[in-house]
Amino acid sequence: DAGVTQSPTHLIKTRGQQVTLRCSPKSGHDTVSWYQQALGQGPQFIFQYYEEEERQRGNFPDRFSGHQFPNYSSELNVNALLLGDSALYLCASSLGTGSRLGEKLFFGSGTQLSVL
Amino acid sequence: GENVEQHPSTLSVQEGDSAVIKCTYSDSASNYFPWYKQELGKRPQLIIDIRSNVGEKKDQRIAVTLNKTAKHFSLHITETQPEDSAVYFCAATLNTGFQKLVFGTGTRLLVSP
Repeated sequence: DAGVTQSPTHLIKTRGQQVTLRCSPKSGHDTVSWYQQALGQGPQFIFQYYEEEERQRGNFPDRFSGHQFPNYSSELNVNALLLGDSALYLCASSLGTGSRLGEKLFFGSGTQLSVL
Repeated sequence: GENVEQHPSTLSVQEGDSAVIKCTYSDSASNYFPWYKQELGKRPQLIIDIRSNVGEKKDQRIAVTLNKTAKHFSLHITETQPEDSAVYFCAATLNTGFQKLVFGTGTRLLVSP
């Protein structure tokens, strides 16, 4: 049973560039959430996708956007990169909505983004 | 919105001792409280969780307690082992079906042999 997988594992970009991160949810899961984890901090919620729609969004600017595909996989896009966007980007998947099973989030290993 | 405070930021114990990590939350409507363990360079892993209709939950050497009145919840690890060394995060959320976890800032636990 495959867990949550993310790619790439590491990425180096320069200011102003754009980046796309990818996530495949755990088998059987249909909901994907993205979190940003700065060094020494707890993860911060970016947004959540369910049924190919963004359902909730945290306090992140519009430079952060995403997409969910029919197979439940997801992408996180960040435009006009800033130095402060350097962080570990975590994808988490869960099952369903409106059910207790949807509570349990399972995280991928993340993509470490460095902006120079 | 929800805010979660976690302390201590670092905790050093001897192998076999107990460790306690405490969190407070601000939104009295929050009803789900998971704890995650994150080893260096690895993904956060769910180790235990508790819902607001339960005061305590135990799983082998780990337990979580919840005080809804005080808006406190705590992680207790007994008989600590070196492999328990990691960063532990508490989180809180109002489970409306669309999960948005708010995390604490983490506790670095070091268990010395």
